[in-house]
Amino acid sequence: DTGVSQDPRHKITKRGQNVTFRCDPISEHNRLYWYRQTLGQGPEFLTYFQNEAQLEKSRLLSDRFSAERPKGSFSTLEIQRTEQGDSAMYLCASSLGMEVSTDTQYFGPGTRLTVL
Amino acid sequence: TQLLEQSPQFLSIQEGENLTVYCNSSSVFSSLQWYRQEPGEGPVLLVTVVTGGEVKKLKRLTFQFGDARKDSSLHITAAQPGDTGLYLCAGHGSSNTGKLIFGQGTTLQVKP
Repeated sequence: DTGVSQDPRHKITKRGQNVTFRCDPISEHNRLYWYRQTLGQGPEFLTYFQNEAQLEKSRLLSDRFSAERPKGSFSTLEIQRTEQGDSAMYLCASSLGMEVSTDTQYFGPGTRLTVL
Repeated sequence: TQLLEQSPQFLSIQEGENLTVYCNSSSVFSSLQWYRQEPGEGPVLLVTVVTGGEVKKLKRLTFQFGDARKDSSLHITAAQPGDTGLYLCAGHGSSNTGKLIFGQGTTLQVKP
């Protein structure tokens, strides 16, 4: 069963450092999403790719954040000059790209970021 | 802005009890989904409800979508310790990109 995978699972960094996370979606899934989740809250949408095109970004995604999906397969999320407020679980999800109301998103296990 | 509000936020019950979690909005959603999330893991989809008034059952879990498609509920019968987790409702945003808007979640603890 090749579900959505994320790497690393945990990342501890010092404030001001850059970090990069990777997401490998389920093969043949056209859509890929990044969400952020803080403790005890629901995930919040960050950005979305249809194949290699980044089609929507949340206002939560400041200019320190950048995401790519260069070949329409895996994606990376980079955070530059990390701040303590960036500490959260970063979740990736992928979907086939069917009609929206029936397009199921499958989530990865997440990357837990702790900024000291 | 489309929002989903869940209640209660926390629930601690004894094994064997019944419970209901609510998910409400002032906006209409084309569908609502319920997820369950365990600590340190990503959300796992339980069910998608699409039609107003729809009721779906998954073993001891019953999901209902409101007639006006603005609210949903999750009812668990005879809760078990294995039901412990964070329950999230989510709906697709109005931008038609498929991004999900999540409620803040209900943390359920079932004590043996």
